[in-house]
Amino acid sequence: GQQLNQSPQSMFIQEGEDVSMNCTSSSIFNTWLWYKQDPGEGPVLLIALYKAGELTSNGRLTAQFGITRKDSFLNISASIPSDVGIYFCAGQGQGQYGNKLVFGAGTILRVKS
Amino acid sequence: SAVISQKPSRDICQRGTSLTIQCQVDSQVTMMFWYRQQPGQSLTLIATANQGSEATYESGFVIDKFPISRPNLTFSTLTVSNMSPEDSSIYLCSVRLQEKLFFGSGTQLSVL
Repeated sequence: GQQLNQSPQSMFIQEGEDVSMNCTSSSIFNTWLWYKQDPGEGPVLLIALYKAGELTSNGRLTAQFGITRKDSFLNISASIPSDVGIYFCAGQGQGQYGNKLVFGAGTILRVKS
Repeated sequence: SAVISQKPSRDICQRGTSLTIQCQVDSQVTMMFWYRQQPGQSLTLIATANQGSEATYESGFVIDKFPISRPNLTFSTLTVSNMSPEDSSIYLCSVRLQEKLFFGSGTQLSVL
C-alpha cells in the first residue's frame, strides 16, 4: 500500500531557530496536508497543498508540494515555545486508494527557550 | 472549517466492556471518518461512516469489533466492543470539507 516516510522523527532546537521537516512517498499524491497535534488534542490542519510545485505560507509556516508529487516539506521560521508538538504530513492518493489519506509517522518538535 | 465535538474526551474502562464514542459536527457533511492513534503512533483509518448505509472498514478492522452508526449528516458514533488493553488508544472522528480533513479533539481510552 501507499506509505509515507516522514523525517526527522524528532527535533530539539533552540528558540528562534528555523525548522524543516519533510515527507516522501513511494507513489504520487494529489494533495498534501500538514497537521500539528498538541498533547490531548486532535490534529489541527496547518496547510493544504493541491498542485505540484505549490508553495504556501501560513504565518511563520511554509510548505511546498514537490514537483514529482511524491514529497512535501514544512518549514517553521523563528521557532517559539508554542511550536512544540507533533507535526504530521498526510497525502491523498489516487487510483485504488481514492480519497483515503495516508499519514506520516510524525515529527516531534521540542523547543528550548 | 468545521467544529467537531467528540465525547467522552477520555475514559477508563474494564476489559470485556464496550464504549460508545459520539461525534457531532456543526454542519452537514457527507464523509465522516474514524481514526485510531495508538500511543506514540500515527493515525490509522478505522472506517468511513456513510449516512444511510453501512460503514466501510479498512483492512484489520471489523464491524463486530467497531460498530459505527451514522443516523444523519451531522452525527456519528463509534463503539469499541469487548475491549482489551490493546484497544487503549486515542480515537478520533474527522470530516472532509472541501478536500481538507478536520479532526475532533479525540477520545483517550484506557482499558484495564
